[in-house]
Amino acid sequence: DAGVIQSPRHEVTEMGQEVTLRCKPISGHNSLFWYRQTMMRGLELLIYFNNNVPIDDSGMPEDRFSAKMPNASFSTLKIQPSEPRDSAVYFCASRSQGTAGNQPQHFGDGTRLSIL
Amino acid sequence: SQQGEEDPQALSIQEGENATMNCSYKTSINNLQWYRQNSGRGLVHLILIRSNEREKHSGRLRVTLDTSKKSSSLLITASRAADTASYFCAPRAGNMLTFGGGTRLMVKP
Repeated sequence: DAGVIQSPRHEVTEMGQEVTLRCKPISGHNSLFWYRQTMMRGLELLIYFNNNVPIDDSGMPEDRFSAKMPNASFSTLKIQPSEPRDSAVYFCASRSQGTAGNQPQHFGDGTRLSIL
Repeated sequence: SQQGEEDPQALSIQEGENATMNCSYKTSINNLQWYRQNSGRGLVHLILIRSNEREKHSGRLRVTLDTSKKSSSLLITASRAADTASYFCAPRAGNMLTFGGGTRLMVKP
């Protein structure tokens, strides 16, 4: 089985540019999560979707960040305009519904984003 | 917040020794999960323990959960150099996990 697929793996861009990160969850999983990982703040949940609907976006840092899930097999996280402080590794994870909520999350290998 | 907090932050041991990592959290949980992260990779799920369980084993892994103390521990027995990674606990309350800063484990050959 293919795992969670993220693209690109690395992105280097200048501040002010729009950045789009992509995620393909595991087929059949109905929950999708976006995280950001930095040395200073660790792993932070940005937003999560259930059945393609955003449920909790309280972790999204500010209006420059937006996320969409147009269908069950694709999600994007967009930063516009980007700033150097957005530099981090961004992870996508998916999870199946399972029973009693006891299902693990499956992570992609992340996108390492550097804003110059 | 129910964020897990791991202790110690870093641990260095020799191959063959056991490694113990601890986790504390603050609120009631549905379950608690442990994940491993190798450098440059995503997190990989290791083991899940439900709130009504006290101990669980998986291969060389042993996890305990004490809900009265809001704490958990992960024991890796007979460690190997390949176990070198960061380990995170993630308490789950509701639909979300919250991750601590992790324990960086180095196993020296």
